[in-house]
Amino acid sequence: RKEVEQDPGPFNVPEGATVAFNCTYSNSASQSFFWYRQDCRKEPKLLMSVYSSGNEDGRFTAQLNRASQYISLLIRDSKLSDSATYLCVVIKAAGNKLTFGGGTRVLVKP
Amino acid sequence: GAVVSQHPSWVICKSGTSVKIECRSLDFQATTMFWYRQFPKQSLMLMATSNEGSKATYEQGVEKDKFLINHASLTLSTLTVTSAHPEDSSFYICSARFPSGGYNEQFFGPGTRLTVL
Repeated sequence: RKEVEQDPGPFNVPEGATVAFNCTYSNSASQSFFWYRQDCRKEPKLLMSVYSSGNEDGRFTAQLNRASQYISLLIRDSKLSDSATYLCVVIKAAGNKLTFGGGTRVLVKP
Repeated sequence: GAVVSQHPSWVICKSGTSVKIECRSLDFQATTMFWYRQFPKQSLMLMATSNEGSKATYEQGVEKDKFLINHASLTLSTLTVTSAHPEDSSFYICSARFPSGGYNEQFFGPGTRLTVL
């Protein structure tokens, strides 16, 4: 079983719609969680951290469910520019190593 | 945010040659840099952690004699792929940890696309 798993997608989303997807992690001792965005042939860029109480940044909402060991990302009012691969990143209990999920591809269409 | 550069952005080489990739933190000093590899449609996989002034720490399954890492200064780490083969073709990305060391304070370079013929 992979340490961090994501549905690869693609999620085809009409412009203006809402899309949500999850990421599961296997290590219950994982400490920190993030969503990164990666455009084709580019480096990943931090989208947002995920806090235990859930957090929102504009049209993006992230939530953490420690009991079920997953995090989620919800995008409201999708824009064409939201088309990208969204990477779930988990920090293990030891060290500052980032463990990446395989990514979820989102395609927003007019 | 902090800026990390990589050079070259892409390279094509013949099988058996060695390729050096540079990772630089442009506006901050990074005691720790990380090297990742990403194959098409796959996740980023950490190859090694590069510490300034000491030996790199390699992840399980990564050959240290094939992927030579040198972190000679606080702003530069290099990855040399020795005797490259077609299976080494990949997207190599470095990241640098901001000195405050927070978990999310890693900044990624733009990546180097290596193609070995």
